[in-house]
Formats: sequence, structure tokens, C-alpha cells
Amino acid sequence: AQKVTQAQTEISVVEKEDVTLDCVYETRDTTYYLFWYKQPPSGELVFLIRRNSFDEQNEISGRYSWNFQKSTSSFNFTITASQVVDSAVYFCALSEAGTDKLIFGTGTRLQVFP
Amino acid sequence: SAVISQKPSRDICQRGTSLTIQCQVDSQVTMMFWYRQQPGQSLTLIATANQASEATYESGFVIDKFPISRPNLTFSTLTVSNMSPEDSSIYLCSVLDRAYGYTFGSGTRLTVV
Repeated sequence: AQKVTQAQTEISVVEKEDVTLDCVYETRDTTYYLFWYKQPPSGELVFLIRRNSFDEQNEISGRYSWNFQKSTSSFNFTITASQVVDSAVYFCALSEAGTDKLIFGTGTRLQVFP
Repeated sequence: SAVISQKPSRDICQRGTSLTIQCQVDSQVTMMFWYRQQPGQSLTLIATANQASEATYESGFVIDKFPISRPNLTFSTLTVSNMSPEDSSIYLCSVLDRAYGYTFGSGTRLTVV
């Protein structure tokens, strides 16, 4: 069965600090996709990234970067030079190619203080 | 990617009543998903609605409580039946576009009093 663990329930940082959000997943499938979503206080889900299981290259998008390591079943997300607008709940999620169901982790609430 | 229109955006309902939530997609999609997000919690999959067959429910969710309709490839409804305060949550629909991934509706914030 698939499972996503986000051990950090809440993280507080001061603006301009770097912060890493951890995500560990479990799956029996060899083909799967990993996602990160941002949920600001307004409630909508904002898509950040999708990564398939065959692409272990790290990705950088502006201040955001992702580190995918199959050896440790982790897909961690780093925000560099955090800003107040980064304050939100961040969800890591996993879908298996066989079922197409998207399973979410419990989320990490990030608070960035000025 | 697909654009989803979800209605209503919020509602306050009396216990014992039912609410039907609608999701309209701007393109044809095979699979639609319904999620519940209880206050302060993560998203939990309620069911998968495939247009060709009956909806498939996840453990802990039953059709009598959350009936789903999927009359065509662009539309689905979720009904929350015989509501109690414990049903107060955000309900979201989602579709899968294999090119872009999952798209989510803006959610329905339900409060049961």
C-alpha cells in the first residue's frame, strides 16, 4: 500500500532563512509520481511540482528546489531565502501508475515571520 | 491543463439535511476524484468516479453517505447525506490529466450546524 509521511507538522522560520520540508514515501510500484502542493490560507491547492519515479534529477525553480532520492524513498523540498508569502501548508503526495489515486501526506505548516 | 468549476464554494447546512456539490470540467476526463479535508487535516480520498462504471469508494466511505453521480465526461456531483457536524469539512474534486497531473477544484467549505 502507498503511504506518504511528512514528519514535520509545523515549522517556523524568520524571513530569508532557508527551510527544508521532508517527505518520505512508501510504494510497491516501480512506476509512480510524486507531487508537492501548496495550500495557502485561502484554501486552494497550488501545484508546485510533479516528478516521475524514473527521473531522479534534482529540480530548481527560482527559490524552490526538490531533492528526489529513491535510495531513501525521499522527495524533500527546500525553500531558499524564505518570504512571508511562503507561509502555507505544504503537502507531499504520491500516485501509483496502476491506480491513479493521489495519496497525500499529512502536510507541513510553514510559518515565515518577518 | 483542465479547468474545474466547483459549486457551491461554501454552505452552512442544518444537521440531517443533504448537500450536493457539483464539479464541471472544461474538457473530457476519464477519472474524477473526490476528497475531504477535515479542519486542520490532510486531504483524504473519498472515491474515484469513472464515467464508465460506478464510483469506487475508499475504506471508511460508503455510497449511502456520499452518493456520486458521473453522467458524462465533464461533470460529477458528490452528495453529503444526512449531515452531522462531523461532516464539516472542505470537499474538493480533482481530475487527472496525464500530461499535466492532477487539477483541483477550488473546494466547497461545508459547515453543518
